[in-house]
Order: sequence, then C-alpha cells, then structure tokens
Amino acid sequence: QSALTQPASVSGSPGQSITISCTGTSSDVGSYYLVSWYQHHSGKAPKVMIYEVTKRPSGVSNRFSGSKSGNTASLTISGLQAEDEADYYCCTYAGNSIYVFGTGTKVTVL
Amino acid sequence: EMQLVESGGGVVRPGGSLRLSCAASGFTFDDYGMTWVRQAPGKGLEWISGINWNGDSTGYADSVKGRFTISRDNAKNSLYLQMNRLRAEDTAFYYCARGDINYYGSGSRNWFDPWGQGTLVTVSS
Repeated sequence: QSALTQPASVSGSPGQSITISCTGTSSDVGSYYLVSWYQHHSGKAPKVMIYEVTKRPSGVSNRFSGSKSGNTASLTISGLQAEDEADYYCCTYAGNSIYVFGTGTKVTVL
Repeated sequence: EMQLVESGGGVVRPGGSLRLSCAASGFTFDDYGMTWVRQAPGKGLEWISGINWNGDSTGYADSVKGRFTISRDNAKNSLYLQMNRLRAEDTAFYYCARGDINYYGSGSRNWFDPWGQGTLVTVSS
C-alpha cells in the first residue's frame, strides 16, 4: 500500500494550463478505471473534482479534466484561476477493499 | 443538503483508545458505503478504513489494521471508528466520507463525496 507519486508542487500564471501527474503501479492505477482527484483547501473538507478518471461531478468547472495512460493518471487545470490554489490529491481503488491516495501536489497561482 | 459531521476527537495518551463518530444527513445512509481518511500535521491524505452499506465488508490500511475497527449503525445514520493502542503517529485530522469499499461495476461509487469537516485526534503524553 505505497502512496501514489505526485509532484510536490506545480505552479502557473492565471489563464495558463497545468497538469498534475499521479503514478502508481499495475496493481492499482493500472488495474482500475477508478482514479479520483480531490481539491483540499486548508481547514476545509476535501472536494472531489474528478472521478472514474475522466468524469466531472455536477458543479465542478469544466476547466478541470482527467486522463489516464497505463500506470499514470493526470489532472489538468486549464485557464488557471486564483481560487484554484490548493492542494490536490489523486486516489485510486486498489482492490481487496483498499484505496490509496497520492502524495499530494500544492498548486500555486503566480 | 448532504452533510457529514464528525465528533469524538481529543487528546489521548499513547496506548489509549478513542471512538470517533460521524453523523450523516441529507441522503439515504444505508444505500452507501462509508470511509475514514486522515491527514497528519504537514502530511497528505491517507485512506485508513472503509465499510460497505450493511457492515459485512470492511477494509483497513496496513497502518491501522488490528488496532482500529470501523462500524456503522444504519438506524442512527452513523459511522464509527474505534481506535485502540493509539500511537503518536496517529495524530491527525480524521475525516469521514461517503464512498463504496468494493467495486460492484456500474453504479458503484468508488470515490469520496461528500466529506465531513474533520475531527482532530492528538496522541501525546
């Protein structure tokens, strides 16, 4: 049950696009189409931004999109805005009633 | 409005026990699996345990297996986490969230939404 690997930080200017990677193994990310992404502002409840790799919950901006290739999933934020500054975590179902989160990425809007 | 409210956090000595509760409202509680996630100070989110809709299937992270027990009372719309033999490294904010513990195919909700605001557990002598 090793944490999925994410970059510690990603930054971009307003209006730019950024991509956060999430690397696991063939036993977790590579085995299931069940990667989800969470936005976490300090002191608040985490919020799901993407589920089942590419799906966006009602109310989440279409500036957020997800994808997966092999053992690596990605979250792209386009048209970066100041309110996107937060920590982002990927998560996947890993079988046998187990989930694994990523190490987390701090997004900074310059 | 869907809502999850955790309670039961506090300060406990190493080796001690604590029971967390999570009260659910705004959705049909016994239709869904539930989960506990924690965040230690300065660290990332860590999934620690989940339970299916009727309590007969559970899962635990290696870090808490054998020490923590997840349970639920559907009549009370409540989720629980019994934490025994607590260690300093269990110090964290503990969040409950809705999400299935197993993959059932289409209709399975293998993501976490909504989340509670969290309750702080501090393990210290």
